[in-house]
Amino acid sequence: GEDVEQSLFLSVREGDSSVINCTYTDSSSTYLYWYKQEPGAGLQLLTYIFSNMDMKQDQRLTVLLNKKDKHLSLRIADTQTGDSAIYFCAESHTNAGKSTFGDGTTLTVKP
Amino acid sequence: EPEVTQTPSHQVTQMGQEVILRCVPISNHLYFYWYRQILGQKVEFLVSFYNNEISEKSEIFDDQFSVERPDGSNFTLKIRSTKLEDSAMYFCASSGQELYNEQFFGPGTRLTVL
Repeated sequence: GEDVEQSLFLSVREGDSSVINCTYTDSSSTYLYWYKQEPGAGLQLLTYIFSNMDMKQDQRLTVLLNKKDKHLSLRIADTQTGDSAIYFCAESHTNAGKSTFGDGTTLTVKP
Repeated sequence: EPEVTQTPSHQVTQMGQEVILRCVPISNHLYFYWYRQILGQKVEFLVSFYNNEISEKSEIFDDQFSVERPDGSNFTLKIRSTKLEDSAMYFCASSGQELYNEQFFGPGTRLTVL
C-alpha cells in the first residue's frame, strides 16, 4: 500500500530557511500536498503540486518534487516563530480520492 | 470564506456507548471524508462518501462505524460501541468537482473514550 515518510523534528532559528523532506512509495501518486497543523487546530492546506511538475513557488513557500526518487520537499524562506507547527506531507491518486499522510514534522522556530 | 464545521469540538463518552460526530461540509461540495488522528500519530483515512454512498473505506472502518448524510447539509460519523482505542481527533473534509480537488478540513472533534 501507499506509505509516506517524514523526519519527525526540525529546529531552526528565526530568519533562516527551513526545509522539510518527505518520501513516498506509490509511483501513481498524482497529487502531493503540504498541510500545516497548529496545536489543537485542524489541517490547513499550505500548497500542493501535481506529479507532472518539478517545482512550485508560493510566496515564502517552495515545493520541489523529484518524481524519480519519490521525494518531496517544502522550503520555508525567512522562517518566523508563527511558522512553528506540525507539517504533514500527503499524497493522493485522484482528485477526489483519499489522502495518505506522513507522520508529520514538528518545526520549532527559535527566536 | 466557506468552511467545514464540526460539532462537538470535544466529546467524552464511556466505553461501549454510541457516539455521533457531526460535520457540515461546504455547501456546494460533493465529496465527503472522515479521517482520524490518534494523539501523536499520523492522520489516517477512514472513509469517503459520494452520491449518497461510500466510495472507499479503510481497514479501520469496520462494522462499528457508519456514515450518513441525513439531509442536504450534515454528514455524520457514528461509532456504535466505542472502544478505548477509538479515542482520537476525528476530522471531516469535503471537496468539490474541480480539476484540482482540494480537500477542506474541519477543525476536528476530539473523542475521548473512558
